[in-house]
Amino acid sequence: DQQVKQNSPSLSVQEGRISILNCDYTNSMFDYFLWYKKYPAEGPTFLISISSIKDKNEDGRFTVFLNKSAKHLSLHIVPSQPGDSAVYFCAASSSLQGGSEKLVFGKGTKLTVNP
Amino acid sequence: ETGVTQSPTHLIKTRGQQVTLRCSSQSGHNTVSWYQQALGQGPQFIFQYYREEENGRGNFPPRFSGLQFPNYSSELNVNALELDDSALYLCASSPAGTGYGYTFGSGTRLTVV
Repeated sequence: DQQVKQNSPSLSVQEGRISILNCDYTNSMFDYFLWYKKYPAEGPTFLISISSIKDKNEDGRFTVFLNKSAKHLSLHIVPSQPGDSAVYFCAASSSLQGGSEKLVFGKGTKLTVNP
Repeated sequence: ETGVTQSPTHLIKTRGQQVTLRCSSQSGHNTVSWYQQALGQGPQFIFQYYREEENGRGNFPPRFSGLQFPNYSSELNVNALELDDSALYLCASSPAGTGYGYTFGSGTRLTVV
């Protein structure tokens, strides 16, 4: 049962254009959502997050939008740069016992930004 | 400030053997979580340790076990290795039991033959 889904395994865009990565989830109890970027041979790196009570969060070139009614979030990268080429994971925070949290990840979308 | 370091970086084991993977958490982080990332999949939560106690566990069998030490470093042990255990094992540290503010290590690539 995959609670966080990234249905596009790959995305290719031209440098300077917008990249839009999508993510759907099924569990309405998730507290917040995060995007991670992963380069080969490195661990995932935190990019941006959004609380379940917000609908938008912006940080420089990166903006995350949350549509709770549709259980959908998206990451916009404007303008896209070749250095943005990586695998992007959508993740959701899920409660553990004792108030701790774990992350539930999607399968990832490989973004390629062409010069 | 040092990040999360994992060792070894690569490992090849035979089916049925046992393996221990190690993780040093980021300075100031007292919670360590382990994730398994199979090829083409996202990371899957194995378990979390906080104050040397297991604080939550994902859908993994008991042959996956762990430890956390007083300096917050951690070990992941896997007994009776199976071919499907071949994966990238990621350690992540965070402050005070949260999933927010995770810092991931580069992982250990385990191959079971």
